[in-house]
Formats: sequence, C-alpha cells, structure tokens
Amino acid sequence: QLQQSGPGLLKPSQTLSLTCVISGDSVSNKLRTWNWIRQSPSRGLEWLGRTFQRARWTTDYAESVKSRLVINRDTDKNQFSLHLNSVTPEDTAVYYCAREVDWSGLDSWGPGILVTVSS
Amino acid sequence: DIQMTQSPSSLSASVGDRVTITCRASQDISNRLAWYQQKPGKVPQLLIYGASTLQSGVPSRFSGNGFGTDFILTISSLQPEDVATYYCQKYNSVPLTFGGGTKVEIK
Repeated sequence: QLQQSGPGLLKPSQTLSLTCVISGDSVSNKLRTWNWIRQSPSRGLEWLGRTFQRARWTTDYAESVKSRLVINRDTDKNQFSLHLNSVTPEDTAVYYCAREVDWSGLDSWGPGILVTVSS
Repeated sequence: DIQMTQSPSSLSASVGDRVTITCRASQDISNRLAWYQQKPGKVPQLLIYGASTLQSGVPSRFSGNGFGTDFILTISSLQPEDVATYYCQKYNSVPLTFGGGTKVEIK
C-alpha cells in the first residue's frame, strides 16, 4: 500500500515536495521500481521518474522535467519522495506514486494528490 | 522517445457488445505493454501486463494480445461497470510512456 502526503497549493517558482510511504513492501526490494506519475487534462498520464535498487541505486527522469526534478528514497522510513522546483501553472496536476513489480506493470498506486500552482 | 498511440479516443457500445481498443508503439517494444482502467475520479488500475497476462482479480472478459508495435485490448462482453478510460503504457525502457486513453461509454 502506498500513502502520499504533500501540499495541495503552491505559488509559481516554489518547490513541490511529495512523499510516498510504503507499507507491506520495501523501497529496497530489488524486484521493484518506485515511480512518480502525474495526470492533467492537457498532458494526460505523464511518467515523471523512478528510483530502484539493483546492484546499486538508480534514478531515472523524464526529459521534460529532468532539469527540475529530484527523486529521493529513505530506507529507514521506507519511503520515497519527489521534489520539483520552479513550478509553474503547467505543473498543476494530480500526482501519483506507483510501484512496478519486476517487468509487470504498475500494480499499486497511491491515492493521488491534486497539486495546484497558482499565484 | 517511443510514442504510444491509442485508437479510438472514445467509443460508445451496448451492454454485451465486444469492444476492441488498439495501441500502437512507434518502435518495437516486444511484449512490454500494460493496460490500465481508470474509472471517473479513481486511480488507474492495472488490467494486463506483458501484453496478454491478466492481472490477478481482473475479470476474464478482458484480454490483451500483440507484440512488437501493435497491441489490442478486448472486452468480450461489455458490462456497465466497464465504463472507464483505458490506457496503454510501454515499459520496455524509460520513459514509461502512456497512450492518450480511450473513453468507453454505454450506448
């Protein structure tokens, strides 16, 4: 199960920080990847990035947000987080965290958080 | 990046009808294709992965097939609870791109 937390309203130029707490699994599980996805009417479902552990920790980012996005993990708290800086109204969307199991699709999603960027 | 194109963007069918949705990848993605169902106001739910493997708990009226660039999601007998938007997604490599969605309604 994935539980999300974070603010619902930001002003332009601020940094969006969201956390996804994992229960019933481990962020260090080497058969999983941990993903962030957002959804808006204009952009549809958009994959933002992921973090996962194999021989070492790896993080991948979508090119569209690569210069502004950092995804971290905290193994002690069993969670991962998204930090998107310099937000604009274009970043207004529902943000989801989601788990991928060993090349089997995104089988578990967080409830989603509506993030609105407005002055 | 590989693009995922779904068609149609919407459809209306009667209860009991057979419904097919297509998804085309701009390059070969092998069988690394998933289908999701998203009901209004809800979180996307995984229906099928590996192009044709039904996720646990998904009704058997849903099926998927395809390989390479062309994929199909079929609902063999449309039910009222199947009203939703359906998305394909490739996961052979990053970025994990989604299709634009197909909205399914009851006629």
